[in-house]
Amino acid sequence: DAGITQSPRHKVTETGTPVTLRCHQTENHRYMYWYRQDPGHGLRLIHYSYGVKDTDKGEVSDGYSVSRSKTEDFLLTLESATSSQTSVYFCAISDKGTGNTIYFGEGSWLTVV
Amino acid sequence: DAKTTQPNSMESNEEEPVHLPCNHSTISGTDYIHWYRQLPSQGPEYVIHGLTSNVNNRMASLAIAEDRKSSTLILHRATLRDAAVYYCILLLGMRLSGNTGKLIFGQGTTLQVKP
Repeated sequence: DAGITQSPRHKVTETGTPVTLRCHQTENHRYMYWYRQDPGHGLRLIHYSYGVKDTDKGEVSDGYSVSRSKTEDFLLTLESATSSQTSVYFCAISDKGTGNTIYFGEGSWLTVV
Repeated sequence: DAKTTQPNSMESNEEEPVHLPCNHSTISGTDYIHWYRQLPSQGPEYVIHGLTSNVNNRMASLAIAEDRKSSTLILHRATLRDAAVYYCILLLGMRLSGNTGKLIFGQGTTLQVKP
């Protein structure tokens, strides 16, 4: 299995509070991604990173920010959590972008009440 | 962004071959075709990928149409453990700046395998 660790794996938080999800990799892969998965929507890309301090928006980036200060860590922050951000969040990594296998983490279940 | 179209669901009998189709008529020349599958409560798992030629690995085969506007994932002998949602995805081509391609998932095909 690819060395990807997501934390926390499960979290319940209140509306309006900030939340940070962490993705940690031990593969030294250049590219990292954050996806969310909701019933009826499949997986949707939130943000991705193509190197340290290099990030870009995905399909559903509103309400989310990311940071990548070192190769192994990609942080996803919900500045002020809303109930619509209740979801399962998956981190993924890859190397050399095009054509290479993309590995997914086990997911982080977030509930905003 | 290029998109893919897959049937919502398919059924198969155990130990029979399964052909999962995918249409991607707006694919560009640098887009790779990837297949992933997702078991309940797990992250997606890589199955296979290709660019132009057919590909085989221990899990499956990938048949790519000559015009690259469609592809088919072939599971040679379905098992109960193959019951999952299968995603056909285009990995967008890398730009000269070095920015990565990014996966854009569709709805996928839910495969049911009957014993």
